Amino acid sequence: EAQVTQNPRYLITVTGKKLTVTCSQNMNHEYMSWYRQDPGLGLRQIYYSMNVEVTDKGDVPEGYKVSRKEKRNFPLILESPSPNQTSLYFCASSSGQRTNTEAFFGQGTRLTVV
Amino acid sequence: KQEVTQIPAALSVPEGENLVLNCSFTDSAIYNLQWFRQDPGKGLTSLLLIQSSQREQTSGRLNASLDKSSGRSTLYIAASQPGDSATYLCAVVGNQFYFGTGTSLTVIP
Repeated sequence: EAQVTQNPRYLITVTGKKLTVTCSQNMNHEYMSWYRQDPGLGLRQIYYSMNVEVTDKGDVPEGYKVSRKEKRNFPLILESPSPNQTSLYFCASSSGQRTNTEAFFGQGTRLTVV
Repeated sequence: KQEVTQIPAALSVPEGENLVLNCSFTDSAIYNLQWFRQDPGKGLTSLLLIQSSQREQTSGRLNASLDKSSGRSTLYIAASQPGDSATYLCAVVGNQFYFGTGTSLTVIP
């Protein structure tokens, strides 16, 4: 089954404690991206990757890092989480950003930073 | 920067009604437009993808149209059912994905 898998689904952490949210897709997609969803603000793109070792900032990259060492994985790293990073996070993949193909989303990770 | 607006923000209709959700965007230089459904606390499920060269797409009771020149898309849901209750999001794809803030739909039995 084609899917995007995020882990963990729920995470509560303390300010400053480094964390990683994993994202994996089994569709051999080139394009992967991370979003955060906040009430009233909708989904905003954090980082995206057009292919292995190619990453770029989205609209709200501050406080986040990503890496793309393998095609299937695109982890999101919060080196020093802060309460304003409390949000619902989604990973997505598609076979290309500029091709006419649909995007697939993970089930989301609800992060709370206290 | 691309801005995507969805109107209305919330909609409540009785079961069986036909309804239209609206999505507008400011930059017509897009590659495609997607409509998604999001259930509370869940991820996004793709409903329809309209390529930039297309005017509409249909899937079952859903029909989505695209007018690039005017920066508008509509999602038409025929014969609404309680199971259609969810938040509907549109996303336009240019240099990156840009999402609207969604329309929260409630279908009353």
